[in-house]
Amino acid sequence: NAGVTQTPKFQVLKTGQSMTLQCAQDMNHEYMSWYRQDPGMGLRLIHYSVGAGITDQGEVPNGYNVSRSTTEDFPLRLLSAAPSQTSVYFCATRRRGGYTFGSGTRLTVV
Amino acid sequence: GESVGLHLPTLSVQEGDNSIINCAYSNSASDYFIWYKQESEKGPQFIIDIRSNMDKRQGQRVTVLLNKTVKHLSLQIAATQPGDSAVYFCAEIVSGNTGKLIFGQGTTLQVKP
Repeated sequence: NAGVTQTPKFQVLKTGQSMTLQCAQDMNHEYMSWYRQDPGMGLRLIHYSVGAGITDQGEVPNGYNVSRSTTEDFPLRLLSAAPSQTSVYFCATRRRGGYTFGSGTRLTVV
Repeated sequence: GESVGLHLPTLSVQEGDNSIINCAYSNSASDYFIWYKQESEKGPQFIIDIRSNMDKRQGQRVTVLLNKTVKHLSLQIAATQPGDSAVYFCAEIVSGNTGKLIFGQGTTLQVKP
């Protein structure tokens, strides 16, 4: 089991560019979510999904889109990157209360 | 609104001493609490959890205490080791809220040799 795999690990974008952060899991967990972590702050929920075809907004959804076409994958899309989206992004899955986190994607928007 | 906060941003302890990290939460509907450890450049790692129908739970060298009356959570680490140095987050799951995990801001634990 690879658990939760996030790619890329690092990314630098220019303002206005778009990109997709990938998250894949091989644990057959129904629940997947995306968090961002800014310096000196805890993780904040961006979007989450309780199963394939179902997504919903978290605390800070603006500027991000998600889709869930399969159980395994939950990509996070930035349509027009802004410097305020510079952060570390974590994907997490959940089953029976326990969350498993990926190792993160460090994104810098210049 | 929902919020989970931590009392101290940094805690410095001597190796071998016990550490106590505190957390206050605001939502009375929360029924599940988790402590995470996060090392540099890594994702949060599960340490221990507790449900709202309990007031204490013990793991290996760690104990979580829950006081629902004052909405307070604490993590006790016995015989703190250098490898315990990390940022510690408490998090809560609100009952009936599709299991969304809400994090506090974190406490940095520094272990002095």
